[in-house]
Amino acid sequence: DIQMTQSPSSLSASVGDSVTISCRASQSIGSYLNWYQVKPGRAPQLLIYTTSTLHSGVPSRFSASASGTQFTLDISGLQPEDFGFYYCQQSSDDPPTFGQGTRVEIK
Amino acid sequence: QVQLQESGPGLVKPSQTLSLTCAVVGGSISNATDYWTWIRQSAGKGPEWIGRVYLSGYTDYNPSLKSRVYISIDTSKDRFSLILSSVTAADTAVYYCARGRRLTNSLDVWGPGTLVTVSS
Repeated sequence: DIQMTQSPSSLSASVGDSVTISCRASQSIGSYLNWYQVKPGRAPQLLIYTTSTLHSGVPSRFSASASGTQFTLDISGLQPEDFGFYYCQQSSDDPPTFGQGTRVEIK
Repeated sequence: QVQLQESGPGLVKPSQTLSLTCAVVGGSISNATDYWTWIRQSAGKGPEWIGRVYLSGYTDYNPSLKSRVYISIDTSKDRFSLILSSVTAADTAVYYCARGRRLTNSLDVWGPGTLVTVSS
């Protein structure tokens, strides 16, 4: 299975800050990388698909990019509703695999 | 707007069979561009992909669970189901159903999840 390594495991930032979450794949996955936001008790939300395409309805403060097997999710201008957990997921090879997650806390 | 809703017992005894259903509400399960997926997440871990089913009934499973998993689709009722046999405490998790899009290979609609505890 392809291993997805996320960092940091948690972060705390203030409203208005910019934050970056990283995700590294253990082998080449092309552009088949998706990002999700998960809040306790709520349906997870797709944020970004195929590395950098913003899913419908997702605010433009979310963006993502890649360099080789290193992927990043950026949130510019953190909002109170952005708290939660963020997961990367590769959909290049079966079984699809997820990162361990990054907890985002609002100071 | 398509929504998904998981349902099933929240408590299953060890060695027994876990059975969950996912209802597709506000849309049809019979779209050939979609597939239907089960994912689970244990406490403190990242999500784990269980498997997927296509409109045709064709399935793919995680090799780690393949011997115990069965996923089926019921187009007449717009729902799909998960069966996991011979459960142990390690199968305790929040179970999610999700819609996958073939074009983007992403999961664009999820259910809120249901906690299943394996305990005697």
